[in-house]
Amino acid sequence: QVQLVESGGGVVQPGRSLRLSCAASGFTFSSYGMHWVRQAPGKGLEWVAVISDDGSYKNYVESVKGRFTISRDNSKSTLYLQMNSLRAEDTAVYYCAKAHSKSLSSWGQGTLVTVSS
Amino acid sequence: DIQMTQSPSSLSASVGDRVTITCRASQDISNDLAWYQQKPGKAPKSLIYAGSPLQSGVPSRFSGSGSGTDFTLTISSLQPEDFATYYCQQCNSFPLTFGGGTSVEI
Repeated sequence: QVQLVESGGGVVQPGRSLRLSCAASGFTFSSYGMHWVRQAPGKGLEWVAVISDDGSYKNYVESVKGRFTISRDNSKSTLYLQMNSLRAEDTAVYYCAKAHSKSLSSWGQGTLVTVSS
Repeated sequence: DIQMTQSPSSLSASVGDRVTITCRASQDISNDLAWYQQKPGKAPKSLIYAGSPLQSGVPSRFSGSGSGTDFTLTISSLQPEDFATYYCQQCNSFPLTFGGGTSVEI
C-alpha cells in the first residue's frame, strides 16, 4: 500500500531555512508527479508546489515562488521541499501527496513547521 | 487563479440523512474536480477524482456530479464516521486551488 512519510519540520526563526523530506513506498515513485500542500493552524488547505515524475516540470503557488524549491530523488523514492527566507505566514502542517488522475490520491501524515522568533 | 467556492461552510445533520455539498469554480474547469475528507488532526483523504469516480475503497454512499463550474458531493445516508470537513479542489490549472471547506457536524 502507498505510504508517504514526511519529516524535517520544527520551529525555526523568521528568515531561516528548513528542508522537508517525504519518503515514499508502496508504489513506483518515479512514475508519479508529487505535490506539497500546507494547512495553517485552524485553516483550510493550500496547494504549495508540484513536481513531475522526472523532475523536469515544477510549479509553485505565488506566495512561495523564489523562496521554496521542490525536488526529488527517484533513486531514493524521496520528495523534498527546501524552504528559505521563512515567514510567520509559512507556519503550517505540510503534507506531501501523490498525484493520480488529476487528483491528490494519497497523502502523508504531515509535518508541522512553526516560524517564530 | 481559479477561485473555488464551497457551500455551506458548515452543516448539522443526523445519521441516515442525505447530505449535499456544492462547489462552484470561478471559470470552466471541465470535470477536473476532486473531493477530499479530513478528520480533526488527520491528513486529508481522497474521495472522488475527475468529478465523479470514487477512489478505491471509498464507500458507494459518496457520489460526485457536475461539470464546468458547478459540482456536488452527495452522501446518500450519513454514517457516524462521515462527520468531518470536506474540501473540493480544482485540478484544471496551476495553481491548484481548494474550496474553503464544509464542516459536517452532528
